This record gives sequence, C-alpha cells and structure tokens, in this order.
Amino acid sequence: DADVTQTPRNRITKTGKRIMLECSQTKGHDRMYWYRQDPGLGLRLIYYSFDVKDINKGEISDGYSVSRQAQAKFSLSLESAIPNQTALYFCATSAAKGELFFGEGSRLTVL
Amino acid sequence: DAKTTQPTSMDCAEGRAANLPCNHSTISGNEYVYWYRQIHSQGPQYIIHGLKNNETNEMASLIITEDRKSSTLILPHATLRDTAVYYCIVRVDNAGANNLFFGTGTRLTVIP
Repeated sequence: DADVTQTPRNRITKTGKRIMLECSQTKGHDRMYWYRQDPGLGLRLIYYSFDVKDINKGEISDGYSVSRQAQAKFSLSLESAIPNQTALYFCATSAAKGELFFGEGSRLTVL
Repeated sequence: DAKTTQPTSMDCAEGRAANLPCNHSTISGNEYVYWYRQIHSQGPQYIIHGLKNNETNEMASLIITEDRKSSTLILPHATLRDTAVYYCIVRVDNAGANNLFFGTGTRLTVIP
C-alpha cells in the first residue's frame, strides 16, 4: 500500500460543483501539503498544515479550502469549481526534517 | 528558500552517466540542496540531498561545488526508466516545505 493515498485519482466535474480531494498518509508525519501542477509547469503550493490545529495558505489558495481531520488526513475542497482549476493535484507529507513524500496525484477536469 | 536554475531539457544515451546541473547562486549557509524526479505524471520522488559534502545513495550521486553555488546530480548508468523531469530545490532542512520552489526542472530523456 502507498504511504500517501489520494482519492479520487481522476475526476471530471462541471463548473460550479463542489469537489473534495482526499489525502491520507501512513508515514506518521505531522506536516501535510497540497500542490497543484499545470501542464508544463512546476508544482505550486495551495495549502499546508504543520499539525492538526495548524492550517496555512500557500502561494495559490484562492478558490480552495482545506480540512485537517486528523494527523493522517488532509482534504482539499473546491467550493465552486471553475475550468481554470483543471489541473493535477498532489498531496505530500514530511517530517520536520527531510524529504517530501508525494501521493500519486488526483487529476481534476472542470468542464 | 533560494530559487534554482536548471536546463530545460537534456538527452542521455542508455547506459551512460547522466549529469544534471543546477545553479543556486543565492543559497544560504543553512540551506540544503534536494533533488526530486517526476516520472510522467506520477508524484515526485525524492532522490538525494546534501549540504556541503558530496553524497551518494543507491539512486544517484550529488556533487556540490565548494562555494555551494551549483550542484550536479549524477545518474551513473542511465536506463530508460530514468526518463523523467528532475527538480533541484534548496531549502532549510527543518523549516518545513512551505517555501519550496519547484520550478520547471530538467526533462531528461534517456535514449536507447
């Protein structure tokens, strides 16, 4: 089983719909992150959380919200999806030091 | 965290060493150099990191210049499965990953 699991892996939705992407991890890490990747571009940070009671905006948080339900779970919501939120979304975790561990990604298409 | 500069793309013959350069001229004394790679559209995968000394693991070697303003990731015997986008990132090791800058990386193509 993967250390960082994202669901759904693929989702097609319509403009205005509410979408939730879920992430769970078995690494025991306190720190979790949501990134977005657009074709041909690098990853951009949406939100991050250093523990269950800590939520912080990243570079591109507008239009998104997050919930850290437990140490192992960090979900990303699009309250009213729009086409320019079509992208590949990655969840990641880390300890206080060391590398990031990424999930396999959630591909979201907003029509 | 300091930003990095990498070539957009590189080719390497299968079985040969792939040397991927990275410039990080504004790196601070407490920032580490990290390398990740992303195969197709999978989640990025950690490769190696270092502070000052050269490092080697089962995947690659990392050579950091004495002034720490640049580094080279070496894949000693590239295989077709090493075709990926390689990201060079600098960060303070215990500051979390909230300020990481993943640029566009280097697209390495290993040629049969």
